[in-house]
Amino acid sequence: DGGITQSPKYLFRKEGQNVTLSCEQNLNHDAMYWYRQDPGQGLRLIYYSQIVNDFQKGDIAEGYSVSREKKESFPLTVTSAQKNPTAFYLCASSYSGGLTNEKLFFGSGTQLSVL
Amino acid sequence: DQQVKQNSPSLSVQEGRISILNCDYTNSMFDYFLWYKKYPAEGPTFLISISSIKDKNEDGRFTVFLNKSAKHLSLHIVPSQPGDSAVYFCAATAYNNNDMRFGAGTRLTVKP
Repeated sequence: DGGITQSPKYLFRKEGQNVTLSCEQNLNHDAMYWYRQDPGQGLRLIYYSQIVNDFQKGDIAEGYSVSREKKESFPLTVTSAQKNPTAFYLCASSYSGGLTNEKLFFGSGTQLSVL
Repeated sequence: DQQVKQNSPSLSVQEGRISILNCDYTNSMFDYFLWYKKYPAEGPTFLISISSIKDKNEDGRFTVFLNKSAKHLSLHIVPSQPGDSAVYFCAATAYNNNDMRFGAGTRLTVKP
């Protein structure tokens, strides 16, 4: 059953701590994305990756880091430099990464809260 | 800057009636528009899309209308069903652009 798996579903971060959100896809998609959702706001792009070992910053990349060592995996690290990390984080993928008009497939999200 | 705007945070309709969700955009480079549906604690799922070369796209009970001159699109759901109750996001993107822009969402409640 193809899809995108995000884990954990809920995550708590202590002051000064780095935390990593997992995202795995078995759709054989080239492109993967990380979005952040805050109440009353649209989804905002953090990072995206069109191919393995390459990624680009989105609008709100400060305080976040990513890696793309495998096609299937695109983990997001929320560093201590991100001062307001409480949000709902969504990972997504698409077949070719914007080379044609295409839809995104989303995971079920991770709710990150600060202790 | 909010390039995609959904000005109605919520909408309530009676089962069987029409639901109309609206979306405005500012970037004239957008040429592909999508609607996503989201249930609580889940990721958005794709609902319907429209290319800028069309002004209407229909899929069962769902129809999206695009008015390029007004930079406005709308989603019509007819007839509305209680299972349609969810948050609907409008999104837009330009060809060969990885940055899909989303509106803030409209929460639709369909009452039995």
